[in-house]
Amino acid sequence: GAGVSQSPRYKVAKRGQDVALRCDPISGHVSLFWYQQALGQGPEFLTYFQNEAQLDKSGLPSDRFFAERPEGSVSTLKIQRTQQEDSAVYLCASSLGLLGVVAGAHTGELFFGEGSRLTVL
Amino acid sequence: SQQGEEDPQALSIQEGENATMNCSYKTSINNLQWYRQNSGRGLVHLILIRSNEREKHSGRLRVTLDTSKKSSSLLITASRAADTASYFCATDRYGGSQGNLIFGKGTKLSVKP
Repeated sequence: GAGVSQSPRYKVAKRGQDVALRCDPISGHVSLFWYQQALGQGPEFLTYFQNEAQLDKSGLPSDRFFAERPEGSVSTLKIQRTQQEDSAVYLCASSLGLLGVVAGAHTGELFFGEGSRLTVL
Repeated sequence: SQQGEEDPQALSIQEGENATMNCSYKTSINNLQWYRQNSGRGLVHLILIRSNEREKHSGRLRVTLDTSKKSSSLLITASRAADTASYFCATDRYGGSQGNLIFGKGTKLSVKP
């Protein structure tokens, strides 16, 4: 597709339910990122993939959060046993570059999807 | 944690005026980027400035970077109502995990027609 596609755009979950958020990056983009954005705040880094390898998951807030990208394209962010504090917009972004391959490589432009707004009741 | 801090938090101006937003950060960086976000939408990349650059232009946008003060500014000239959005600065961390862009809390710009 032309841009990063995320689904669902809106998700309402009861506390304790599991949710899965999907991201289709731009075709050919090697790097994929997940961010969490609370209302009125900037995006906070969750995790980063280079192809299918999850190179950094330092931002995942708890072990209830899990992300995968098994074939190096589509990614899924799963949140188990959702809590009210998980309510936020989850943004996916992709980037063309092979980050981290070359020492000192610069982070390039990220292309963001529209986000998945999760509301936990 | 958020590395960048934009200021002001909110800015309201009339169409045609210039808008200046500032960003401060804490650690050494490779580059700094500015993004724009319309309400309820994803972020859109505006401009990237590398740590060895001091100023960069793109259309009506002018970005400056002062690494000694760990600060950057975004100037939008001749603003339009369509410029109404939130603006975020984002930095990577020199020597840190590649791809971990750290965003500030943003400046909410309102341009009145």
